[in-house]
Amino acid sequence: EIVLTQSPGTLSLSPGERGTLSCRASQSLSSSYLAWYQQKPGQAPRLLIYGASIRATGIPDRFSGSGSGTDFTLTISRLEPEDFAVYYCQQYGSSPPKTFGQGTKVEIK
Amino acid sequence: QVQLVESGGGVVQPGGSLRLSCAASRFTFSNYGMHWVRQAPGKGLEWVTFIRYDGSNKYYADSVKGRFTISRDNSKNTVYLQLNSLRAEDTAVYYCAACTGWDDAFDIWGQGTMVTVSS
Repeated sequence: EIVLTQSPGTLSLSPGERGTLSCRASQSLSSSYLAWYQQKPGQAPRLLIYGASIRATGIPDRFSGSGSGTDFTLTISRLEPEDFAVYYCQQYGSSPPKTFGQGTKVEIK
Repeated sequence: QVQLVESGGGVVQPGGSLRLSCAASRFTFSNYGMHWVRQAPGKGLEWVTFIRYDGSNKYYADSVKGRFTISRDNSKNTVYLQLNSLRAEDTAVYYCAACTGWDDAFDIWGQGTMVTVSS
């Protein structure tokens, strides 16, 4: 099973600041089968990024993903008030189980 | 707007059973693989199970193997999750999610249904 470790656990930032979230995999992910999801309280997760760097439909370009192998990053270039939420990375490669990181909470400083 | 709507959650005693449903609308359900993902109160996301678009392949997390069963009815645009031998640690919000294939991210999510296992 591939374990994903996200850091930091909590990120305290002000609106307009840049946020950088990290996700490290316990083994290399083939074909960059890495996604990022955003979850707000009481809501379902929403797909932001897939294939490590491809924005899902309707996702603003202030969200960007990068990385390969075992190290991946989600960057929010300029935080908007609606971006304060919990972010999960996920590997969705060929072998089960699909695993998620433990999440990074982005909170208002 | 594409939509998934879960139902069937509730309170059940340990050892009991429950059947969850997830109804799809406004997209071609029969072309999509379907997952169930759960989230215990205050915790992160845990993948539970997957069924291929035609029902031919199914995968389960070790934590539910032998107790949970996924199925689908493409004529009703619905995927099901049968939960048997329930334990306290199965208490969670259960989400269904759609993807175009096993090797794809989870494009579409339902709003979730709460399952509470308690005596």
